[in-house]
Amino acid sequence: DGGITQSPKYLFRKEGQNVTLSCEQNLNHDAMYWYRQDPGQGLRLIYYSQIVNDFQKGDIAEGYSVSREKKESFPLTVTSAQKNPTAFYLCASSIERTAWGGYTFGSGTRLTVV
Amino acid sequence: DAKTTQPPSMDCAEGRAANLPCNHSTISGNEYVYWYRQIHSQGPQYIIHGLKNNETNEMASLIITEDRKSSTLILPHATLRDTAVYYCIVTQSQGGSEKLVFGKGTKLTVNP
Repeated sequence: DGGITQSPKYLFRKEGQNVTLSCEQNLNHDAMYWYRQDPGQGLRLIYYSQIVNDFQKGDIAEGYSVSREKKESFPLTVTSAQKNPTAFYLCASSIERTAWGGYTFGSGTRLTVV
Repeated sequence: DAKTTQPPSMDCAEGRAANLPCNHSTISGNEYVYWYRQIHSQGPQYIIHGLKNNETNEMASLIITEDRKSSTLILPHATLRDTAVYYCIVTQSQGGSEKLVFGKGTKLTVNP
Protein backbone atom coordinates (compact mmCIF):
# COMPACT_ATOMS: atom_id res chain seq x y z
CA ASP A 1 0.00 0.00 0.00
CA GLY A 2 1.17 3.50 -0.76
CA GLY A 3 1.70 5.87 2.09
CA ILE A 4 3.96 8.16 4.04
CA THR A 5 6.00 6.89 6.95
CA GLN A 6 7.50 8.92 9.76
CA SER A 7 9.91 7.50 12.25
CA PRO A 8 10.33 7.27 15.10
CA LYS A 9 6.89 7.91 16.63
CA TYR A 10 8.41 9.21 19.87
CA LEU A 11 11.84 10.79 20.25
CA PHE A 12 13.63 12.07 23.31
CA ARG A 13 16.77 14.17 23.11
CA LYS A 14 18.91 16.20 25.43
CA GLU A 15 18.99 19.94 25.07
CA GLY A 16 21.71 21.12 22.70
CA GLN A 17 21.73 17.98 20.56
CA ASN A 18 20.77 17.92 16.90
CA VAL A 19 18.17 15.34 15.95
CA THR A 20 16.93 14.11 12.55
CA LEU A 21 13.35 13.05 11.89
CA SER A 22 12.71 10.66 9.03
CA CYS A 23 9.97 10.97 6.40
CA GLU A 24 9.59 8.50 3.54
CA GLN A 25 6.81 8.26 0.94
CA ASN A 26 6.09 5.73 -1.80
CA LEU A 27 3.25 7.68 -3.42
CA ASN A 28 5.46 9.06 -6.19
CA HIS A 29 4.59 12.56 -4.99
CA ASP A 30 6.81 15.44 -6.08
CA ALA A 31 6.04 17.79 -3.19
CA MET A 32 6.83 17.18 0.47
CA TYR A 33 6.33 19.27 3.59
CA TRP A 34 7.21 19.51 7.25
CA TYR A 35 4.78 21.01 9.76
CA ARG A 36 5.08 21.63 13.47
CA GLN A 37 2.12 21.42 15.85
CA ASP A 38 2.07 22.64 19.45
CA PRO A 39 -0.65 21.61 21.93
CA GLY A 40 -4.05 23.10 21.05
CA GLN A 41 -2.66 24.87 18.03
CA GLY A 42 -2.91 24.52 14.28
CA LEU A 43 -0.09 23.36 12.02
CA ARG A 44 2.76 25.69 11.07
CA LEU A 45 4.83 25.12 7.96
CA ILE A 46 8.57 24.64 8.53
CA TYR A 47 9.93 23.73 5.10
CA TYR A 48 8.61 22.40 1.82
CA SER A 49 10.11 20.88 -1.28
CA GLN A 50 8.50 20.85 -4.70
CA ILE A 51 11.11 18.71 -6.42
CA VAL A 52 14.31 16.80 -5.71
CA ASN A 53 17.29 18.95 -4.72
CA ASP A 54 15.08 21.98 -4.10
CA PHE A 55 13.37 23.21 -0.94
CA GLN A 56 11.92 26.43 0.43
CA LYS A 57 11.55 27.91 3.89
CA GLY A 58 8.10 28.00 5.42
CA ASP A 59 6.89 30.26 8.22
CA ILE A 60 9.10 28.94 11.03
CA ALA A 61 12.29 27.61 9.38
CA GLU A 62 14.76 29.04 11.93
CA GLY A 63 16.56 26.29 13.80
CA TYR A 64 15.62 23.61 11.28
CA SER A 65 17.28 22.17 8.18
CA VAL A 66 16.15 19.76 5.47
CA SER A 67 17.47 17.91 2.45
CA ARG A 68 15.78 16.36 -0.57
CA GLU A 69 18.31 14.08 -2.24
CA LYS A 70 15.71 11.52 -3.24
CA LYS A 71 12.10 11.92 -4.31
CA GLU A 72 10.95 9.50 -1.62
CA SER A 73 12.74 11.07 1.34
CA PHE A 74 12.59 14.45 3.09
CA PRO A 75 14.41 14.30 6.45
CA LEU A 76 14.14 17.17 8.94
CA THR A 77 16.98 18.08 11.30
CA VAL A 78 16.09 19.96 14.44
CA THR A 79 19.26 21.81 15.39
CA SER A 80 20.43 23.15 18.72
CA ALA A 81 19.55 26.63 17.42
CA GLN A 82 15.83 25.82 17.69
CA LYS A 83 14.89 27.43 21.00
CA ASN A 84 11.78 25.40 21.76
CA PRO A 85 11.96 22.12 19.84
CA THR A 86 9.51 20.06 21.90
CA ALA A 87 6.49 19.58 19.61
CA PHE A 88 4.58 17.20 17.35
CA TYR A 89 6.13 17.10 13.86
CA LEU A 90 4.12 16.12 10.81
CA CYS A 91 5.40 15.29 7.35
CA ALA A 92 3.14 15.44 4.31
CA SER A 93 3.33 14.94 0.58
CA SER A 94 1.23 15.81 -2.45
CA ILE A 95 1.47 15.16 -6.16
CA GLU A 96 2.22 18.86 -6.58
CA ARG A 97 2.26 21.82 -4.21
CA THR A 98 -1.06 23.24 -5.36
CA ALA A 99 -2.97 19.95 -5.01
CA TRP A 100 -4.61 21.41 -1.93
CA GLY A 101 -7.10 18.57 -1.48
CA GLY A 102 -4.49 15.90 -1.96
CA TYR A 103 -2.12 16.28 0.95
CA THR A 104 -1.25 12.95 2.58
CA PHE A 105 0.11 13.18 6.10
CA GLY A 106 2.26 10.82 8.08
CA SER A 107 1.34 9.80 11.61
CA GLY A 108 3.80 12.22 13.15
CA THR A 109 6.83 12.22 15.43
CA ARG A 110 6.51 13.56 18.94
CA LEU A 111 9.82 15.12 19.94
CA THR A 112 10.58 15.86 23.56
CA VAL A 113 13.74 17.70 24.53
CA VAL A 114 14.80 17.33 28.14
CA ASP B 1 -3.31 33.66 10.43
CA ALA B 2 -6.00 31.53 8.84
CA LYS B 3 -8.56 33.17 6.54
CA THR B 4 -11.34 31.17 8.19
CA THR B 5 -13.19 31.35 11.51
CA GLN B 6 -14.53 28.26 13.25
CA PRO B 7 -16.02 27.63 16.70
CA PRO B 8 -13.38 26.10 18.98
CA SER B 9 -15.53 23.14 20.01
CA MET B 10 -18.81 21.34 19.36
CA ASP B 11 -20.61 18.30 20.70
CA CYS B 12 -22.83 15.85 18.83
CA ALA B 13 -24.76 12.74 19.81
CA GLU B 14 -23.79 9.50 18.15
CA GLY B 15 -26.02 8.75 15.15
CA ARG B 16 -27.09 12.35 14.73
CA ALA B 17 -25.88 14.76 12.06
CA ALA B 18 -22.90 16.94 12.95
CA ASN B 19 -22.99 20.38 11.31
CA LEU B 20 -19.69 22.23 11.50
CA PRO B 21 -19.79 25.90 10.46
CA CYS B 22 -17.02 27.97 8.94
CA ASN B 23 -16.83 31.65 8.04
CA HIS B 24 -14.59 32.78 5.19
CA SER B 25 -15.85 36.26 4.41
CA THR B 26 -12.71 37.33 2.52
CA ILE B 27 -12.63 34.39 0.13
CA SER B 28 -11.76 35.25 -3.47
CA GLY B 29 -13.78 34.16 -6.47
CA ASN B 30 -11.42 31.39 -7.53
CA GLU B 31 -10.53 30.04 -4.09
CA TYR B 32 -11.80 26.69 -2.91
CA VAL B 33 -12.83 25.72 0.61
CA TYR B 34 -11.09 22.58 1.91
CA TRP B 35 -11.90 20.49 4.94
CA TYR B 36 -9.43 18.24 6.72
CA ARG B 37 -9.75 16.48 10.05
CA GLN B 38 -7.18 15.35 12.60
CA ILE B 39 -7.82 12.52 14.99
CA HIS B 40 -5.78 12.84 18.16
CA SER B 41 -2.03 12.35 17.66
CA GLN B 42 -2.38 11.50 13.98
CA GLY B 43 -1.83 13.47 10.78
CA PRO B 44 -4.71 15.40 9.20
CA GLN B 45 -6.91 13.61 6.67
CA TYR B 46 -8.57 15.23 3.67
CA ILE B 47 -12.39 15.17 3.76
CA ILE B 48 -13.89 17.27 0.99
CA HIS B 49 -13.57 20.54 -0.91
CA GLY B 50 -15.77 22.85 -2.96
CA LEU B 51 -15.90 26.10 -4.90
CA LYS B 52 -19.54 27.22 -4.97
CA ASN B 53 -21.73 24.19 -5.55
CA ASN B 54 -22.63 21.84 -2.75
CA GLU B 55 -20.51 18.71 -2.69
CA THR B 56 -21.01 15.22 -1.27
CA ASN B 57 -18.74 12.22 -0.97
CA GLU B 58 -18.65 9.06 1.11
CA MET B 59 -17.39 10.95 4.15
CA ALA B 60 -19.41 14.15 4.27
CA SER B 61 -21.38 16.89 2.56
CA LEU B 62 -20.27 20.47 2.07
CA ILE B 63 -22.82 23.27 1.84
CA ILE B 64 -21.50 26.63 0.63
CA THR B 65 -23.67 29.74 0.86
CA GLU B 66 -24.53 31.59 -2.32
CA ASP B 67 -22.31 34.54 -1.38
CA ARG B 68 -19.53 32.03 -0.52
CA LYS B 69 -18.80 33.79 2.76
CA SER B 70 -19.54 30.73 4.83
CA SER B 71 -19.90 26.97 4.59
CA THR B 72 -21.03 24.00 6.65
CA LEU B 73 -19.52 20.55 6.78
CA ILE B 74 -22.13 17.89 7.48
CA LEU B 75 -21.38 14.45 8.85
CA PRO B 76 -24.80 12.84 8.33
CA HIS B 77 -24.59 10.09 10.96
CA ALA B 78 -21.77 10.86 13.36
CA THR B 79 -19.97 7.97 15.03
CA LEU B 80 -17.55 7.93 17.95
CA ARG B 81 -14.72 7.58 15.41
CA ASP B 82 -15.62 11.01 14.02
CA THR B 83 -14.34 12.66 17.20
CA ALA B 84 -11.53 14.86 15.88
CA VAL B 85 -10.41 18.41 15.16
CA TYR B 86 -11.93 19.64 11.90
CA TYR B 87 -10.10 22.27 9.87
CA CYS B 88 -11.77 24.55 7.35
CA ILE B 89 -9.11 25.95 5.03
CA VAL B 90 -8.88 28.52 2.25
CA THR B 91 -5.48 28.78 0.61
CA GLN B 92 -3.45 31.89 1.30
CA SER B 93 -0.94 33.74 -0.81
CA GLN B 94 2.19 34.85 0.95
CA GLY B 95 5.33 36.08 -0.72
CA GLY B 96 3.84 35.13 -4.08
CA SER B 97 3.38 31.54 -2.99
CA GLU B 98 0.08 29.94 -2.09
CA LYS B 99 -0.13 27.55 0.82
CA LEU B 100 -2.54 25.67 3.04
CA VAL B 101 -2.86 27.25 6.50
CA PHE B 102 -4.27 25.06 9.25
CA GLY B 103 -5.85 27.22 11.97
CA LYS B 104 -7.00 25.87 15.33
CA GLY B 105 -10.10 24.19 13.84
CA THR B 106 -13.19 22.89 15.65
CA LYS B 107 -12.82 20.09 18.14
CA LEU B 108 -15.84 17.86 17.56
CA THR B 109 -16.73 15.42 20.32
CA VAL B 110 -19.25 12.71 19.44
CA ASN B 111 -20.93 11.42 22.57
CA PRO B 112 -22.50 7.97 23.01
